[in-house]
Amino acid sequence: DGGITQSPKYLFRKEGQNVTLSCEQNLNHDAMYWYRQDPGQGLRLIYYSQIVNDFQKGDIAEGYSVSREKKESFPLTVTSAQKNPTAFYLCASSTQGALGYTFGSGTRLTVV
Amino acid sequence: QKEVEQNSGPLSVPEGAIASLNCTYSDRGSQSFFWYRQYSGKSPELIMSIYSNGDKEDGRFTAQLNKASQYVSLLIRDSQPSDSATYLCAVTNDYKLSFGAGTTVTVRA
Repeated sequence: DGGITQSPKYLFRKEGQNVTLSCEQNLNHDAMYWYRQDPGQGLRLIYYSQIVNDFQKGDIAEGYSVSREKKESFPLTVTSAQKNPTAFYLCASSTQGALGYTFGSGTRLTVV
Repeated sequence: QKEVEQNSGPLSVPEGAIASLNCTYSDRGSQSFFWYRQYSGKSPELIMSIYSNGDKEDGRFTAQLNKASQYVSLLIRDSQPSDSATYLCAVTNDYKLSFGAGTTVTVRA
């Protein structure tokens, strides 16, 4: 079945540590996105990519980095520069022209 | 001003009633509008999309769009306990979706 797989489901980060969240899709979608969701809030865009080897910053890119070396994969690294990383992270993909997204199941990141 | 604003919740309705959710957006160039449902701890799922002015019905859900007023709404008829969730309004903005903060709906049995 086609879909988006995010891993891990839960992730714990120590202060000063970088962590990488995985996002893989087999939908043959061109565009991929990373969003952050804090309790009681909507989704805020971190980074997005419309084609391989190209990506753009979203509204809250500081402290995050991404790569898009393959069409299927769009990993997100939460760096030590992100001072408040505890949140629910959602990856999504869409075809060009975006008639709605397909979301992964999310990764819940907690700083310990 | 936020790009997408939703009526503040939470919204509590009795089973069988109509739940009415509202959303306004700031970018007059937006072309596509979506409603997502999100259960606690889960990812959003698309329930309605609407692209032209007027009403669009799908089962118990009706989306209404008024581009002149920059307003989109969602009606849930015959509300069921399984409709208890947070509903997110989303609007396209340069090939990206901008989301509202969501309205939490609780359907009382």
